[in-house]
Amino acid sequence: GAVVSQHPSRVICKSGTSVKIECRSLDFQATTMFWYRQFPKQSLMLMATSNEGSKATYEQGVEKDKFLINHASLTLSTLTVTSAHPEDSSFYICSVPPAGLNNYGYTFGSGTRLTVV
Amino acid sequence: GENVEQHPSTLSVQEGDSAVIKCTYSDSASNYFPWYKQELGKGPQLIIDIRSNVGEKKDQRIAVTLNKTAKHFSLHITETQPEDSAVYFCAARWRGNTPLVFGKGTRLSVIA
Repeated sequence: GAVVSQHPSRVICKSGTSVKIECRSLDFQATTMFWYRQFPKQSLMLMATSNEGSKATYEQGVEKDKFLINHASLTLSTLTVTSAHPEDSSFYICSVPPAGLNNYGYTFGSGTRLTVV
Repeated sequence: GENVEQHPSTLSVQEGDSAVIKCTYSDSASNYFPWYKQELGKGPQLIIDIRSNVGEKKDQRIAVTLNKTAKHFSLHITETQPEDSAVYFCAARWRGNTPLVFGKGTRLSVIA
């Protein structure tokens, strides 16, 4: 699978501010990336699919104006949590799917722990 | 869409014993079933996976079995060690490069 770098690993921000999380595919051109959110002791829940050069596709219940996704290049997708509130505190993880329909290895970033105070 | 159920939610075993975690999926079109290990504060790490055209796969102490008819797959860890303690997630892929759908996870504790 691809090598994925996610930054920052943890961030603390004040309520009302915005935070940007980066996900880079270091050795693979990813036209698609996935963003997941994981609350404590829960599973990974898909938030959105990031598409290079076009709008992201959001899952039901995820506010697209709050969680801004930009996939401007084949190696970088960013997730910006706007006007963050304490309930946005969570573990955010990006994922790069395999190349081609007959490949199978999904790669995950190391995650970003967001704490909103 | 796909739905994945995972059991048990917690599992404690004595060191050296075996651990089994089971998952079921809903969509018969799903064709790829990976298992991930997640340690605290880290992203999930792939430990083993199986494709729909295979019934069993083994990698040292870890094995996965797939029953397509029943739509369930299982993770087997033999000779468990304390470092196997973590949260394990099963997942399924519906088709192509669609995102993985995860089970709710199993917290495995291996007691020395």
